[in-house]
Amino acid sequence: GNSVTQMEGPVTLSEEAFLTINCTYTATGYPSLFWYVQYPGEGLQLLLKATKADDKGSNKGFEATYRKETTSFHLEKGSVQVSDSAVYFCALIQGGSNYKLTFGKGTLLTVNP
Amino acid sequence: DGGITQSPKYLFRKEGQNVTLSCEQNLNHDAMYWYRQDPGQGLRLIYYSQIVNDFQKGDIAEGYSVSREKKESFPLTVTSAQKNPTAFYLCASSVPGQEAEAFFGQGTRLTVV
Repeated sequence: GNSVTQMEGPVTLSEEAFLTINCTYTATGYPSLFWYVQYPGEGLQLLLKATKADDKGSNKGFEATYRKETTSFHLEKGSVQVSDSAVYFCALIQGGSNYKLTFGKGTLLTVNP
Repeated sequence: DGGITQSPKYLFRKEGQNVTLSCEQNLNHDAMYWYRQDPGQGLRLIYYSQIVNDFQKGDIAEGYSVSREKKESFPLTVTSAQKNPTAFYLCASSVPGQEAEAFFGQGTRLTVV
């Protein structure tokens, strides 16, 4: 079946540091890939997505590139802010699977001033 | 404003009781989902529905039941058969499709006392 593996947290950074959160996936065919973010006490919201190989999703300074050859979708940001502190989830949707959204376990990011 | 609403935000249940969590959306989405979130486990799919009067089991459906009598509503019942119901429950909706963004409610925190 489909699965998503993302790096274990928690990740703690200082403000303006570079962020990478690794995400790899297992799926047949060509899934769509997503990053969702969850701020404390809230539901999830979409951060960015990519729907085909070599696509780059970007939003709020975050970027991720769909790499079919390495089955990866790593999240990056060049300079994090305190307000980026949240839990980040990598996810995929596989066509032909009733469009179920499959999530990784989440990575807690804390940014200190 | 369009959105997805979960209620209540906090719910306490005595052991042996059934409880129902509400999820309502006014986004005109056909697909709705229920996820359970536990620390270190990420989001696990309980049930999902792609259309009114139809739904499918997710990965952890045992001890839960749902109904989908109206497009805008997808209530989840946590039954007494669910052995460890204390968790954060998230409802989501989307347009069916591989590229679709899922919209999440604010969640319900269920505690068994």
